Amino acid sequence: EVQMVESGGGLIQPGKSLRLSCAVSGFDINANFMNWVRQAPGKGLEWVSVLYRGGKTYYADSVKGRFTISRDTSINTLYLDMTALRVEDTGVYYCARTNTFGPDYHYAMDVWGQGTAVTVSS
Amino acid sequence: EIVLTQSPGSLSLSPGERATLSCKASQSVSTSYLAWYQQRVGQAPRLLIYGTSSRATGIPDRFSGSGSGTDFTLTISRLEPEDFAVYYCQQHGSSPPYTFGQGTKLEMK
Repeated sequence: EVQMVESGGGLIQPGKSLRLSCAVSGFDINANFMNWVRQAPGKGLEWVSVLYRGGKTYYADSVKGRFTISRDTSINTLYLDMTALRVEDTGVYYCARTNTFGPDYHYAMDVWGQGTAVTVSS
Repeated sequence: EIVLTQSPGSLSLSPGERATLSCKASQSVSTSYLAWYQQRVGQAPRLLIYGTSSRATGIPDRFSGSGSGTDFTLTISRLEPEDFAVYYCQQHGSSPPYTFGQGTKLEMK
């Protein structure tokens, strides 16, 4: 069964650091683009970061320089290291798999975890 | 960065009615890269449509997508009680950022 399970969220003070994990089962994280997407309370979805198969990484401008996406292929786990946290980083963080569909390379996020909540507050 | 604007922000309809949700892009988006997601209360998003018009695995045929260029539409032909949720469009091209629209909340009348 394909499954993604996030962990590591919690209450953290502004300026501190936190590491989120996403344990994956049922597929190889090396074989897909892997993403983090977040959702502030009562708000919409915001793409945060992607890790490509070859190791290249990209970030939203709002987190660039503060967040780092990585993976441990030996345990099939995706990470998000968050530093210099701000109140506006509060929200539920989802990991999501990008899949490609068909010969025309349709991209979409077809598997999502249940999310882990991060609250940045003093 | 491509900005996606969804309308309406909220929509109040009854079961059995037809829902039409709009997603407008600030610049042209390849039809290969436009996706729709459903998010029910307290749940993670779920992929409904990829490539503008292809249904994801297990999605009922009352959901359909269409459009091209800067204008895209998600249609739900006959609303079921479980369809009342928030819907997001997303442009997921070959290069990030993979932006989402702000969402349309579909409410039961």
